[in-house]
Amino acid sequence: AQKITQTQPGMFVQEKEAVTLDCTYDTSDPSYGLFWYKQPSSGEMIFLIYQGSYDQQNATEGRYSLNFQKARKSANLVISASQLGDSAMYFCAMRSLNYGGATNKLIFGTGTLLAVQP
Amino acid sequence: KAGVTQTPRYLIKTRGQQVTLSCSPISGHRSVSWYQQTPGQGLQFLFEYFSETQRNKGNFPGRFSGRQFSNSRSEMNVSTLELGDSALYLCASSGYNTDTQYFGPGTRLTVL
Repeated sequence: AQKITQTQPGMFVQEKEAVTLDCTYDTSDPSYGLFWYKQPSSGEMIFLIYQGSYDQQNATEGRYSLNFQKARKSANLVISASQLGDSAMYFCAMRSLNYGGATNKLIFGTGTLLAVQP
Repeated sequence: KAGVTQTPRYLIKTRGQQVTLSCSPISGHRSVSWYQQTPGQGLQFLFEYFSETQRNKGNFPGRFSGRQFSNSRSEMNVSTLELGDSALYLCASSGYNTDTQYFGPGTRLTVL
């Protein structure tokens, strides 16, 4: 069975500093994708970044980067130069890429609430 | 390109009633997935539709059902509502064989 673990229920970071949100996963699938989503208090889930299990390089999207360590089964999100607008809940998620792409089912972690302080 | 839209955004129902939620995916997307988010259980997968066919289903009772239309719009229905059905219901869409799902703003259902 697939499982995502986020061990940090909440974190504080000073504005303009970098912050790392932890995510570990467990799966027996040889091929999978890892996602990070941001959920502000409004409720909408905003896609941030994606990493495929066979990607050789860590994914980056602007201020977001994913520190992917396959052997350790970790996929930590790094946010550089934090902004006040980054305050939100952050979810790590996984999707199996087996079955010829026949499912889009995402398994989510419990999330980390990030508060950016001025 | 317009994002995923969900209607209604807020809904208040009483126990025993039924409810229908609607989701319009991003233009061109054929896959629609539904998720339930509660403080106690977190984000849980309900079901997924692709080209009008349900191709995956989560562990929810039969009171939860869904369908997808030929234009890829999807509806989910919850019959005989219970207090525990109070949640944020999120819909997500993705294109054919693409890896990213894009979410709508959600429908917040309150059951009294």
